[in-house]
Amino acid sequence: ETGVTQSPTHLIKTRGQQVTLRCSSQSGHNTVSWYQQALGQGPQFIFQYYREEENGRGNFPPRFSGLQFPNYSSELNVNALELDDSALYLCASTKPGTGVSNEQFFGPGTRLTVL
Amino acid sequence: GDSVTQMEGPVTLSEEAFLTINCTYTATGYPSLFWYVQYPGEGLQLLLKATKADDKGSNKGFEATYRKETTSFHLEKGSVQVSDSAVYFCALSKNTGNQFYFGTGTSLTVIP
Repeated sequence: ETGVTQSPTHLIKTRGQQVTLRCSSQSGHNTVSWYQQALGQGPQFIFQYYREEENGRGNFPPRFSGLQFPNYSSELNVNALELDDSALYLCASTKPGTGVSNEQFFGPGTRLTVL
Repeated sequence: GDSVTQMEGPVTLSEEAFLTINCTYTATGYPSLFWYVQYPGEGLQLLLKATKADDKGSNKGFEATYRKETTSFHLEKGSVQVSDSAVYFCALSKNTGNQFYFGTGTSLTVIP
């Protein structure tokens, strides 16, 4: 069983640019969540996608947007990058039918640095 | 709002010492509670979970009990090993199941 994969591993951008991060969910998992983990902090929920629709959103501005594809893979897009967007971006997938006790399976993350 | 507070680190222990990492939560309703571990250079992995009051989650010698009366979910291990060195995150998930709230993490270093 292939786990959650993310690309790229590392990325360096400059302020004002746009970035797209990619995530392939674990086989059979139809729900994908994205988190931002700043250095020394816990992950902060950005949003979740279920069946290609946004299914919950944290306290992030609209310049953070996403997509989920029919194969359940997902993208996180961030426009007009700011220095504070520098962080580790984590993708997590959940298998269907697991309800409130659902385990989220995390990818290794993409380290984004904004200069 | 919903949140998780865990003890600040870093924590440094000698091998075979007893470990406690405190975690308390604030949430309406009946959340599920989790401990995740992040080893250096790796993603988060579920360590253990508990879905209702008085449940005890356990895995790899680690234990945590869901205490609704004290809104706590403290992580314990009787004898830590060097390989337990990692960052530990306490988290909760609400009944909608679509958002996890994480604590800030506690870094543990175990020295031989």
